[in-house]
Amino acid sequence: DADVTQTPRNRITKTGKRIMLECSQTKGHDRMYWYRQDPGLGLRLIYYSFDVKDINKGEISDGYSVSRQAQAKFSLSLESAIPNQTALYFCATSGQGTYNEQFFGPGTRLTVL
Amino acid sequence: GQQVMQIPQYQHVQEGEDFTTYCNSSTTLSNIQWYKQRPGGHPVFLIQLVKSGEVKKQKRLTFQFGEAKKNSSLHITATQTTDVGTYFCAAGQGFNKFYFGSGTKLNVKP
Repeated sequence: DADVTQTPRNRITKTGKRIMLECSQTKGHDRMYWYRQDPGLGLRLIYYSFDVKDINKGEISDGYSVSRQAQAKFSLSLESAIPNQTALYFCATSGQGTYNEQFFGPGTRLTVL
Repeated sequence: GQQVMQIPQYQHVQEGEDFTTYCNSSTTLSNIQWYKQRPGGHPVFLIQLVKSGEVKKQKRLTFQFGEAKKNSSLHITATQTTDVGTYFCAAGQGFNKFYFGSGTKLNVKP
């Protein structure tokens, strides 16, 4: 959805480099998520945040960190990138309550050489 | 973490044939969502099921949530080429975070 944007859309980097992926949303949602997609593995949750002061680890948080700079912004960092972090990364947002459709950004394709 | 198995991994059908993908969990789920991802695109929400035995329909798509809330299915009647994509279930742990299945990739031959 255009309401959820991710930058950059594609990135090639080298092993050991620090890289930041950014996500912004205009939906006014409190909840934001970072997922990683690998072929045949579906989407795996890296980190999630329910508000600016709330950060939680997901299934595969090792090697990643996040920052929730504002309600609308949620960044994912790879402090020292390694080749097995090559993947498609998606940011998503959702509202609160029991009906919480997730709205995904267009994705960032990251390649670590 | 939550284990969610989704089968089959791939399905190739002739246009007009039916298609079903299944999602199974070893634990009782609070809810389940279904998403569709077109080739090169991002996941798009289709539906959320919450109640035991719930059945919902969207045109040619029928979604079911098992009585024990441990499994779910998505059935497409008379597939069309526009149905091509990967279908994911996402099992809800509470209503806070979701564990995605590995997806079923559907290919429809015209």
